[in-house]
Amino acid sequence: GAVVSQHPSWVICKSGTSVKIECRSLDFQATTMFWYRQFPKQSLMLMATSNEGSKATYEQGVEKDKFLINHASLTLSTLTVTSAHPEDSSFYICSATRGGPTGELFFGEGSRLTVL
Amino acid sequence: AQSVTQLDSQVPVFEEAPVELRCNYSSSVSVYLFWYVQYPNQGLQLLLKYLSGSTLVKGINGFEAEFNKSQTSFHLRKPSVHISDTAEYFCAVRYLKSNQFYFGTGTSLTVIP
Repeated sequence: GAVVSQHPSWVICKSGTSVKIECRSLDFQATTMFWYRQFPKQSLMLMATSNEGSKATYEQGVEKDKFLINHASLTLSTLTVTSAHPEDSSFYICSATRGGPTGELFFGEGSRLTVL
Repeated sequence: AQSVTQLDSQVPVFEEAPVELRCNYSSSVSVYLFWYVQYPNQGLQLLLKYLSGSTLVKGINGFEAEFNKSQTSFHLRKPSVHISDTAEYFCAVRYLKSNQFYFGTGTSLTVIP
């Protein structure tokens, strides 16, 4: 099946710094990528929908200036957590779809962010 | 409101016993349905999906699910579970006219030796 890769898998940073997480579709062109946040023992919360070459669409309650999303190409989307704080610590998962109504989501391995 | 409900947050089951994980969705429009599995500290992996056709869908690792339109359900089943099936399972619905997926709250399956 299709492969989506996230990097880094784990990141620890100091409060106030910014962290970038990359999401790549390795063997297909992803027309749309999604970023999710997952708290322990909870479901995935959709943060934003990212289409190549256009601005991301953020879900209600997600701060655009805090979570910067860039989808520069059909195989790469990045999530930058700016001025991270301990409450931003979470498991971030990206997913990508080939597009079309029946396209399934392919998920990255996830990135665990810990802000000290 | 359109949503996905997983009725059981935790399901313990003995090894080699059958299991059913329940999923109901609320929607007045046609949907596609998915089950994903998540192992600790990993992303989600597709188990199976229903798009159209036969209402009984077979997936990987011996799992299957049945789409019941009248009951708006898509329950996941396995006749005999293995220790390695211990994981978090998510039901998801995708609406035909949008790219967005909506996930249930997840069911934690624990297989007891």
